[in-house]
Amino acid sequence: AQRVTQPEKLLSVFKGAPVELKCNYSYSGSPELFWYVQYSRQRLQLLLRHISRESIKGFTADLNKGETSFHLKKPFAQEEDSAMYYCALRGYLYGGATNKLIFGTGTLLAVQP
Amino acid sequence: NAGVTQTPKFQVLKTGQSMTLQCAQDMNHEYMSWYRQDPGMGLRLIHYSVGAGITDQGEVPNGYNVSRSTTEDFPLRLLSAAPSQTSVYFCASSRGQDSPLHFGNGTRLTVT
Repeated sequence: AQRVTQPEKLLSVFKGAPVELKCNYSYSGSPELFWYVQYSRQRLQLLLRHISRESIKGFTADLNKGETSFHLKKPFAQEEDSAMYYCALRGYLYGGATNKLIFGTGTLLAVQP
Repeated sequence: NAGVTQTPKFQVLKTGQSMTLQCAQDMNHEYMSWYRQDPGMGLRLIHYSVGAGITDQGEVPNGYNVSRSTTEDFPLRLLSAAPSQTSVYFCASSRGQDSPLHFGNGTRLTVT
């Protein structure tokens, strides 16, 4: 079964501290992982995807197939990073995507001044 | 280019009433989907469509119907509203299977 687990409902850090938002997944095939972010009063938007291997707003995430994890990291948190973060999984079966993007329950990141 | 547009933004229904949540996109995206967002449950997929005339069920389809008569529109129908359907509903679209999702602003539905 496809499943995404985000164990922390709330992560509170001080400005300048490192951030790691945890995401673990369960999928028997070849997954594609995403991080989406929802800032206050804004729509959900893509932050980054593992196949891009890019850094967006200082955030990075590495897919660890051995640990089935896709943790989101940032070395120095900023107050404007405060938002709801969702990890998401798209599975691929039989050479094609399942078209089902499965989301975790989300982690609220609160960056204190 | 408005992206994904959802209407209404807010709605209050009584148990048993029916209504349709509208979703339209102007990006010529083939893939569209509906999610509901509930505290502690994240976003759960209700229904999705990979193109006009094609729809399929997601994780929580019961109580909802969809249709996709055009590429642009993907309405979500509540046949007989129940309090358990109180939620925030998000419509999303993408160019194809490998593309990221673009979300609408959401519809906050309360069923009393």
